[in-house]
Amino acid sequence: GQQVMQIPQYQHVQEGEDFTTYCNSSTTLSNIQWYKQRPGGHPVFLIQLVKSGEVKKQKRLTFQFGEAKKNSSLHITATQTTDVGTYFCEIGLDSNYQLIWGAGTKLIIKP
Amino acid sequence: EPEVTQTPSHQVTQMGQEVILRCVPISNHLYFYWYRQILGQKVEFLVSFYNNEISEKSEIFDDQFSVERPDGSNFTLKIRSTKLEDSAMYFCASSLSGGGNQPQHFGDGTRLSIL
Repeated sequence: GQQVMQIPQYQHVQEGEDFTTYCNSSTTLSNIQWYKQRPGGHPVFLIQLVKSGEVKKQKRLTFQFGEAKKNSSLHITATQTTDVGTYFCEIGLDSNYQLIWGAGTKLIIKP
Repeated sequence: EPEVTQTPSHQVTQMGQEVILRCVPISNHLYFYWYRQILGQKVEFLVSFYNNEISEKSEIFDDQFSVERPDGSNFTLKIRSTKLEDSAMYFCASSLSGGGNQPQHFGDGTRLSIL
């Protein structure tokens, strides 16, 4: 069954507003990866989170891993048109090497 | 920077035919993956491959599908008896190690259109 829930499915923002996507699991995770897919492109790796409570930043992007290692978020401050695309989380489990992808959150910048 | 290459970029096939999608992973990577993405939908894991055998596969990866590493560089996905619903973008990826411990590098994909 589904082991990761990613929300929201879409987020419309004005340029300059913030954006956040969340991934939640009922299972304790080994790690979580975040990818970005531009329209018409392929997924591109952004970051990996491994430690409980970890926070990593890449310029305007902030990635968090929950204390219980069951949820994660990606926050973009002051969105720009170059941020447009779909953001996916991918979870790794301790029990096996299976990697499970979230459904993605599509960031749409309103004109 | 080394990259994953996939051929062809677009494959058009009649329903019921067999197709082979080809990938050349990054040369020092040990884990290889195939994903499927139906237009506008999420990325779906199909299969992972390590040490010349399948390490994980999803419920999508049934007897219609098979993977092979025919030589030291290529990694192929064969789809037999194609159906209309097999139309999708197929991505190949590779990584240094498995389990999400190393990032996956994706190819540009093969767009498969079944007529």
